Parts: sequence; C-alpha cells; structure tokens
Amino acid sequence: EIVLTQSPGTLSLSPGERATLSCRASQSVSNNYLAWYQQKPGQAPRLLIYGASSRATGIPDRFSGSGSGTDFTLTINRLEPEDFAVYYCQQFGGSPKYTFGQGTKLEI
Amino acid sequence: QMQLQGSGPRLAKPSGTLSLTCAVSGGSISSDWWTWVRQPPGKGLEWIGEISDSGKSNYNPSLESRVTISIDRPNNQFSLKLNSVTAADTAVYYCARASNKVLDPWGQGTLATVSS
Repeated sequence: EIVLTQSPGTLSLSPGERATLSCRASQSVSNNYLAWYQQKPGQAPRLLIYGASSRATGIPDRFSGSGSGTDFTLTINRLEPEDFAVYYCQQFGGSPKYTFGQGTKLEI
Repeated sequence: QMQLQGSGPRLAKPSGTLSLTCAVSGGSISSDWWTWVRQPPGKGLEWIGEISDSGKSNYNPSLESRVTISIDRPNNQFSLKLNSVTAADTAVYYCARASNKVLDPWGQGTLATVSS
C-alpha cells in the first residue's frame, strides 16, 4: 500500500498570503497519478488538481500543483477567504487502488 | 453536468448490513468506473471500492470480505452493501465517478450510523 503523508497538519495563514502544502508518498507514485481535493465543512471533496499539476475544470489559476515521484506540492497563491478548508492528496495505483493523505487544514 | 445522488437507510444495527444507492444523472453509467469512499466523523477519506460499467469490481483489501458493489445500468445507478457492520463503520459515505485516475464528481454524501 502506498501511504501518503501530508504536512503540515494545520496551516494558519491570512488572506492574500501564499499556502504551500506537502504530500509525500511512501513509494513512487506511478505516472504521477497524484490528485488534490478541497473539502469544506459539510461538503463533498472537490477535485482541484490531477496528474500532479493539471488544474481541473473551473479551478482558479491561483491553485497549482507540482512534484513527481514521492514528493508533491499544492501551492495556493493570494489566498481568498473561500480557500480556507481541508486539502487531501490522493494517489492511484497499487493496492488499494486509491489512497488518500490524512489531510491538511488551512485555517485563518 | 453530471450529478450523483446517494440514498439509503441512515441507520444500521450492529452485525447488520448497510445498503446505499447512488443515482447518476446528466450522463450515462455505461462508461468509466463508479466508486464509494467513506469518511468517519472528523476523520479522513477511505476508498471502499469500485465497479466498472461492465460489472467488474475492485475493493479495498481492508474491507473486501464485507463489501459488495453492484451496478444497475437500466436505472443508471450503482449500490453498496457492507455486511457485519460495527460502530467503526459509522461514516459519511460518498459515491463518485472514477475517471482518468481521479474521483470526480462526487455525490453529496450520506451519513450512515451503526447503532442498536
């Protein structure tokens, strides 16, 4: 099983600042099948980034993903109030086919 | 735009079966894979399993002995059955489409509680 470890657990920032979230895999993620999701309280997760660096439809360009192999990063530039949420990374491959990180809470 | 809507009893008894259904609208279930993910209160996400449009399924090894996912193509929906439930199975259960190695879109989630 590929274990994803996200850091930090909680990130405290202010609107207008830049957020940098990390996701580290216990082994290399095949073909960089690494995605990022945003989840707000009481809502389902929303896909932000797929293939490590491609933005999903309708996602603002202040969200960007990077990385390869075992180390991946989600960067959010110029934080907006609606960006404060929990963020999960997810990988595809192996057994189980999908695994998630434990999440990073981005708070004001 | 595709939408997924989960439904089913929100309460199951210990040692019983939890059964949920996900209706797909705005698109056909006859392509892609269809998945279930759960989230215990205040915790992270756990992939349960998936089914293809042809009926092939894959499950999380940690749940495989208790899970069955099925597909109902005429009614454009798919279902989850989880047997021998305990309080540890209390969670919000999400259905989602799996396409291109990611899960999108997601249903709104159904809180299922295991309690006597």
